[in-house]
Amino acid sequence: RKEVEQDPGPFNVPEGATVAFNCTYSNSASQSFFWYRQDCRKEPKLLMSVYSSGNEDGRFTAQLNRASQYISLLIRDSKLSDSATYLCAVNSLRNQGGKLIFGQGTELSVKP
Amino acid sequence: GAGVSQTPSNKVTEKGKYVELRCDPISGHTALYWYRQSLGQGPEFLIYFQGTGAADDSGLPNDRFFAVRPEGSVSTLKIQRTERGDSAVYLCASSLIGTSGTGELFFGEGSRLTVL
Repeated sequence: RKEVEQDPGPFNVPEGATVAFNCTYSNSASQSFFWYRQDCRKEPKLLMSVYSSGNEDGRFTAQLNRASQYISLLIRDSKLSDSATYLCAVNSLRNQGGKLIFGQGTELSVKP
Repeated sequence: GAGVSQTPSNKVTEKGKYVELRCDPISGHTALYWYRQSLGQGPEFLIYFQGTGAADDSGLPNDRFFAVRPEGSVSTLKIQRTERGDSAVYLCASSLIGTSGTGELFFGEGSRLTVL
């Protein structure tokens, strides 16, 4: 079993739709969680960190469920420019860096 | 430049050859990471440096792969006797540890390796 798993998609949604992605992790000791965005043939870039209490940044909401060991990303009012691959990442060591393990990525395609 | 710099951006080589990939991290970032990404997959962890030392090299697939960071800044990933299966984009990332503690990695644009 992979340490971090995501549904690869693709998710094809119309503009304005709400879409949600989940990501499960197997290491219960994991402390830090992130969502990265990767455009086609580009490097990953941090979209947002995921905090225990959940956090929101504009149209994006991230949540953590420790009991079930998954994180989620909700995108409201999808824009064409949201089309990308969304990677979840999990780090086992708090505030000390350490290796970040990525999921396979979920591909999102927003259509007009 | 302000970002992570990787060279070469593209490398085509023949099976069995030796390859070196270079990464110049963001100035002041103490942590440096190497990942490998194949088409349709997420970045696969290879090795992580904290300063000059390899803090975790558990992702290196076999002894043909080796990485160094002799002065705690620039790093070189070395691949001996390349195989076709080594073809991938090799991503380098750096992070500033101990202040924000967010663990944000800043990635370079990658080195695309093709082994013929």
